[in-house]
Amino acid sequence: ETGVTQSPTHLIKTRGQQVTLRCSSQSGHNTVSWYQQALGQGPQFIFQYYREEENGRGNFPPRFSGLQFPNYSSELNVNALELDDSALYLCASSLSTDYGYTFGSGTRLTVV
Amino acid sequence: DAKTTQPPSMDCAEGRAANLPCNHSTISGNEYVYWYRQIHSQGPQYIIHGLKNNETNEMASLIITEDRKSSTLILPHATLRDTAVYYCIVMDNYGQNFVFGPGTRLSVLP
Repeated sequence: ETGVTQSPTHLIKTRGQQVTLRCSSQSGHNTVSWYQQALGQGPQFIFQYYREEENGRGNFPPRFSGLQFPNYSSELNVNALELDDSALYLCASSLSTDYGYTFGSGTRLTVV
Repeated sequence: DAKTTQPPSMDCAEGRAANLPCNHSTISGNEYVYWYRQIHSQGPQYIIHGLKNNETNEMASLIITEDRKSSTLILPHATLRDTAVYYCIVMDNYGQNFVFGPGTRLSVLP
């Protein structure tokens, strides 16, 4: 069984630009969550998608948005990038929260 | 805010057992405790989880106190490759997502 894969692995963007990060869930997992991890901190929950619908959101502004597709893959979109958006973005998939989440290796976003 | 508290850092000698404590005094009766670790900014890696009973797998053992207000992750024979940040996690109030604290940075020393 394949794990969670994220692309790209690294990305450099300019302040004010838009970015799209992608995630392929582990096979059979219908729930995807996105996390932002700033340097030296624990991951912070952005939002979750379950069967293509947003199913919960953390304390992030609306310029952070997402999609989940019928094959349960997912995108995270960030508009109007700010310097503080520089972080490791993690995608995690799950079949049931009783079994926890499988995390991808993340996308390292640098905003300059 | 994180629902768990852990010491910020710990050292352990290679080959010895590493015992990582965690307090989760506000945990509810049906919430699992999960342990993950993160090595050098890779994605968090699942270690073990439990509800009430002690659990053991090929990576570690999890000891949960009877009142479920704290737990201890045990790595029985730590190696240099176990150097990582270890997170003790419970779900958010909606039972949907992990609430991460800053974790414990474990350094395994030769």
